[in-house]
Amino acid sequence: IVLTQSPGTLSLSPGERATLSCRASGTFSSSYLAWYQKKPGQAPRLLIYGASSRATGIPDRFSGSGSGTDFTLTISRLEPEDFAVYYCQQYHGSPYTFGQGTKLEI
Amino acid sequence: EMQLVESGGGLVRPGGSLRLSCEASGFTFGLYTMNWVRQAPGKGLEWVSSISSRSDYIYFADSVKGRFSISRDNAKNSVYLHMNSLRVEDTALYYCAREAGDRGFDPWGQGALVTVSS
Repeated sequence: IVLTQSPGTLSLSPGERATLSCRASGTFSSSYLAWYQKKPGQAPRLLIYGASSRATGIPDRFSGSGSGTDFTLTISRLEPEDFAVYYCQQYHGSPYTFGQGTKLEI
Repeated sequence: EMQLVESGGGLVRPGGSLRLSCEASGFTFGLYTMNWVRQAPGKGLEWVSSISSRSDYIYFADSVKGRFSISRDNAKNSVYLHMNSLRVEDTALYYCAREAGDRGFDPWGQGALVTVSS
């Protein structure tokens, strides 16, 4: 399954709302769709699993939605620390795949 | 606190071999599938391999199939990535990550840098 993320780069300001898209080339259980945040020099951080469940310690400004082949990560009000690269991932079956990433920049 | 620590990275010539290790702490290692994920310089995340809790299910990305192998030692809370016939395009930061069932990959280690160059 190929995951295609859009846009490639999203330029926004703190306080604005961010909407990131992830489209799959085929259907799979949404129970196995995750979103990660990646900053330079840091390990990836799990934000959302099962398409819509927040991981432990993730602020409620992060939310996930979608099913079938279309998934969305929404950040309701951007904080300065949210500017990073975001990846979606399906882990329903091998090979697990990641999207190519969306860079969220100020 | 759950923690994963990778080691074994380094500089290797094309065609060479390297073994990465990942030691876990803070959770019952023997209950979880473990994964390796890599990120080449300036590129995105690429899943590499996974091994189930009892080593009965093992999978590889097509890009490394036949060259890499994976193993684990539950008594030592460790998972290993054995890399053979290394290519320049295998240069990357290699992360190990716990697969928490249907709850995604969490946690992740800080990564081990592998550089393949002549």
